[in-house]
Amino acid sequence: AQTVTQSQPEMSVQEAETVTLSCTYDTSESNYYLFWYKQPPSRQMILVIRQEAYKQQNATENRFSVNFQKAAKSFSLKISDSQLGDTAMYFCAFMKRKFYNQGGKLIFGQGTELSVKP
Amino acid sequence: ETGVTQTPRHLVMGMTNKKSLKCEQHLGHNAMYWYKQSAKKPLELMFVYNFKEQTENNSVPSRFSPECPNSSHLFLHLHTLQPEDSALYLCASSQGSGGTDEKLFFGSGTQLSVL
Repeated sequence: AQTVTQSQPEMSVQEAETVTLSCTYDTSESNYYLFWYKQPPSRQMILVIRQEAYKQQNATENRFSVNFQKAAKSFSLKISDSQLGDTAMYFCAFMKRKFYNQGGKLIFGQGTELSVKP
Repeated sequence: ETGVTQTPRHLVMGMTNKKSLKCEQHLGHNAMYWYKQSAKKPLELMFVYNFKEQTENNSVPSRFSPECPNSSHLFLHLHTLQPEDSALYLCASSQGSGGTDEKLFFGSGTQLSVL
């Protein structure tokens, strides 16, 4: 079975600074995907960034980037130039590669509550 | 707006009531999911539907009964719930093709309180 662990229940950062959220996972699979989702107070779960395990290059999306260390099973999220709107709960998630007609189910970590302070 | 709509946003029900949660997706996806989000716990997968067929039931009690009449709609029928069932219930959808672009899009959830 796969597990996802986020060891930082809460973090805070000053506006415009950089913050890194940690995530580790455990799996025996070789083909999988990793995700970071954010959930602001509105409760909407929003996809932030996605990494394919077979790609060595770290994914980036504007101010968001990941540090994917496959051997160490580590998948951290770096937020640069933090903004007040980044305040949210951040979830790391794992998806095993599925095949046609199977869809993909996500296994989530416990979440890290990030506060961006003015 | 992610293209996944859940109603109602809030629901309060007694333990003897019967109610239903509704989810609708406008993304042309083939897979739909129910997740439960309780305080201080990771999101828990409840059910998965692919092309209207249930492909996963994660040992969910029978007081939760899902229904997927077509690929765009998903329901969760509730009856004789317990107070510990109070939680945020999230619906999600995905392409369902299992391809390299597979990712889930979520609704805003239904906050359920069982009295």
